[in-house]
Amino acid sequence: DSGVTQTPKHLITATGQRVTLRCSPRSGDLSVYWYQQSLDQGLQFLIHYYNGEERAKGNILERFSAQQFPDLHSELNLSSLELGDSALYFCASSLTPGQAHEQYFGPGTRLTVT
Amino acid sequence: DQQVKQNSPSLSVQEGRISILNCDYTNSMFDYFLWYKKYPAEGPTFLISISSIKDKNEDGRFTVFLNKSAKHLSLHIVPSQPGDSAVYFCAASRSGTYKYIFGTGTRLKVLA
Repeated sequence: DSGVTQTPKHLITATGQRVTLRCSPRSGDLSVYWYQQSLDQGLQFLIHYYNGEERAKGNILERFSAQQFPDLHSELNLSSLELGDSALYFCASSLTPGQAHEQYFGPGTRLTVT
Repeated sequence: DQQVKQNSPSLSVQEGRISILNCDYTNSMFDYFLWYKKYPAEGPTFLISISSIKDKNEDGRFTVFLNKSAKHLSLHIVPSQPGDSAVYFCAASRSGTYKYIFGTGTRLKVLA
């Protein structure tokens, strides 16, 4: 158990809908990262927050947004969903944004868009 | 543009032998590299890392080698055990960018 929790575990929704994925980092960790893993793809970095502020952005679509709240949990919002958004979404946390501290991953949320 | 590549989608090795997983990168500005292991239905877990100032880092049965001139790194597992069967991802980052680029993974199967 990495100490990172993600809810829900599974989500099935229709095209055009909007969903929110939630992540609670390990106790004490200030950085949260979001990744997308599509079929046969590696982990695509989406976005990184540190202590409530956006630190880095990757290949995140404009239809997607994220935020980190004062209690350090983070939410990833996906809107106008398309079939191609079906994927595993992982959240990871680390103590600081730097390379000194490894990332701990949650178990992921499997999103299926029908 | 895939900056981190793992060209072997799968690898099978006999128990007790050496497993060698390879990873190539294209961005010469990357200065920190990591390997993660992933079991089904779980998130990736950190295995070992290496800074670009080193060419080797060892942790028990796991050793990572970095060849900067070839932009290549490899993970050696000796001896391989059935419990090592998993998908292995390599990742790279550049200081100050606060993001990690992952490869597509190599599925290792260790045969008993």
